[in-house]
Amino acid sequence: AQSVTQPDIHITVSEGASLELRCNYSYGATPYLFWYVQSPGQGLQLLLKYFSGDTLVQGIKGFEAEFKRSQSSFNLRKPSVHWSDAAEYFCAVGVPNNNDMRFGAGTRLTVKP
Amino acid sequence: ETGVTQTPRHLVMGMTNKKSLKCEQHLGHNAMYWYKQSAKKPLELMFVYSLEERVENNSVPSRFSPECPNSSHLFLHLHTLQPEDSALYLCASSLSRGSEQYFGPGTRLTVT
Repeated sequence: AQSVTQPDIHITVSEGASLELRCNYSYGATPYLFWYVQSPGQGLQLLLKYFSGDTLVQGIKGFEAEFKRSQSSFNLRKPSVHWSDAAEYFCAVGVPNNNDMRFGAGTRLTVKP
Repeated sequence: ETGVTQTPRHLVMGMTNKKSLKCEQHLGHNAMYWYKQSAKKPLELMFVYSLEERVENNSVPSRFSPECPNSSHLFLHLHTLQPEDSALYLCASSLSRGSEQYFGPGTRLTVT
């Protein structure tokens, strides 16, 4: 079965600084990859997804992620963080025709003024 | 309403109560999911319904009973819960198995 690891539990960045959140997955073939964001007391909102094709995917709110097969990674990036980006971020890996999407434990992002 | 809605948003219940959580999706999706989110734990998949048929039940205790009367509605019936069942319960839907899931806002459940 597939699995996903988010190595960083908590990250703090200054407003306006760049951001990279790490995600590593384990799966024998190319999986479906997702990033979600969750604000306190809310559900998860899809930021972006990768199924196939161009390995650099653009998402909402100025986020992008790059699929690197050689590193089994799908890191999330944003060039300039805004205070409203403070939230919990989840990486997820899915398998075609399978309901069992696996989520990472999440990375909590704090944004300093 | 659009997207995935869940009611109630907050629920406090005693261990002897019976209550139900409701989820409705307005996206025309064919699969629906229940997840449990506890503090400091990864998201736990509880149940999956695809085309109204339960296709997955991840060893969830029988005090949780799902129901999917049609492709737009999903319920989670609760009875004789334990304090450790206190959590955020999230509903999600997807167009097909494996595709991206869309989540509702969740029900914050507290068992006293």
